[in-house]
Amino acid sequence: DQQVKQNSPSLSVQEGRISILNCDYTNSMFDYFLWYKKYPAEGPTFLISISSIKDKNEDGRFTVFLNKSAKHLSLHIVPSQPGDSAVYFCAASRGSNFGNEKLTFGTGTRLTIIP
Amino acid sequence: GAGVSQTPSNKVTEKGKYVELRCDPISGHTALYWYRQSLGQGPEFLIYFQGTGAADDSGLPNDRFFAVRPEGSVSTLKIQRTERGDSAVYLCASSKQGNYNSPLHFGNGTRLTVT
Repeated sequence: DQQVKQNSPSLSVQEGRISILNCDYTNSMFDYFLWYKKYPAEGPTFLISISSIKDKNEDGRFTVFLNKSAKHLSLHIVPSQPGDSAVYFCAASRGSNFGNEKLTFGTGTRLTIIP
Repeated sequence: GAGVSQTPSNKVTEKGKYVELRCDPISGHTALYWYRQSLGQGPEFLIYFQGTGAADDSGLPNDRFFAVRPEGSVSTLKIQRTERGDSAVYLCASSKQGNYNSPLHFGNGTRLTVT
């Protein structure tokens, strides 16, 4: 049972344009969501997160939107740069007083930025 | 070295053998996690330590898998009687605990191949 789904295995975007990566989840207990970026032969690197009490969080070129009623989140990258080419993982957790605990990851979307 | 360090980076072993994978977390991080990433999948949770104790080992697939963190820092993931299906990249991550602003920091992983 895939609780976090990234239905697009790959995405190609022209440099300078907006990249939009999507993620859906099924577990209504999830209340904290993160995006990780992964280059080949490296571990995932934290990019941006959002708590369920918000619907938007922005950090520079990266913005995450959360639609709780639809159980959907998206990552917007604008403008897209060649260095953004990587695999992007959506992840979710059920928070607690101890902070983010185990994460459930999606299967990833490979983003390619075309120069 | 400020990041999470995992050794070895690659391990090839024969079916039925025993392997140990080591993780050095970021200094001062009390939480340590092991994940496993199979080809084409996202990282899958195995076990989480808070200090020396395993706070959640619900992701360990069976009793051939065991992990320890005796002094609350370095952790070792142990796999007995390895099977070809154990082949994957094993990722370790660490984080501070206590709030949502402490994302997981991943190492580069150990690629385990069971022949």
